[in-house]
Amino acid sequence: EAQVTQNPRYLITVTGKKLTVTCSQNMNHEYMSWYRQDPGLGLRQIYYSMNVEVTDKGDVPEGYKVSRKEKRNFPLILESPSPNQTSLYFCASSGLESYNEQFFGPGTRLTVL
Amino acid sequence: QKEVEQDPGPLSVPEGAIVSLNCTYSNSAFQYFMWYRQYSRKGPELLMYTYSSGNKEDGRFTAQVDKSSKYISLFIRDSQPSDSATYLCAGRNTGGFKTIFGAGTRLFVKA
Repeated sequence: EAQVTQNPRYLITVTGKKLTVTCSQNMNHEYMSWYRQDPGLGLRQIYYSMNVEVTDKGDVPEGYKVSRKEKRNFPLILESPSPNQTSLYFCASSGLESYNEQFFGPGTRLTVL
Repeated sequence: QKEVEQDPGPLSVPEGAIVSLNCTYSNSAFQYFMWYRQYSRKGPELLMYTYSSGNKEDGRFTAQVDKSSKYISLFIRDSQPSDSATYLCAGRNTGGFKTIFGAGTRLFVKA
């Protein structure tokens, strides 16, 4: 089954404790992206990647890091989480020729205390 | 000002009604316009996308773009309770890889 998976689905952590949210897709997609979704603000792009070792900032990259060492994986790293990073996070992927259709993962709800 | 503005609702309609969901955008460079549907506790899924101005129909759904007024619409005919979800509009430039989403409109279709 074609899908984007994220782990963990739920995470409660404390300020300053480094964490990684994993994202994996099995569709051989070149493009992958991370979004955060907040009430009233909608989906905002954090980082995106056009292919292995190619990443770029989205609209809200501060406080986040990403890496793309393999085509299928695109982890999101929070080196020192803060309460304002409490949010619902989505990973998405698409082929470069079908970029308008992004496939989203199930989401990771993160709470930073 | 947000690049894509969308009334958050909620919008509540009876089953069988025609639903009109709307967005406005400010970026004149947008050429592609998307509508995503998001069920509770799920990721968004693409309903349809259009290129530039015009209409596109897919079953009970019709997407409409008016670039002169920077207005995007989604019409749902014969709405069903299963259409209850949040609908997100989005736009992007040709050649760009950043999709800008609206905040979403929550729709409830009552049986």
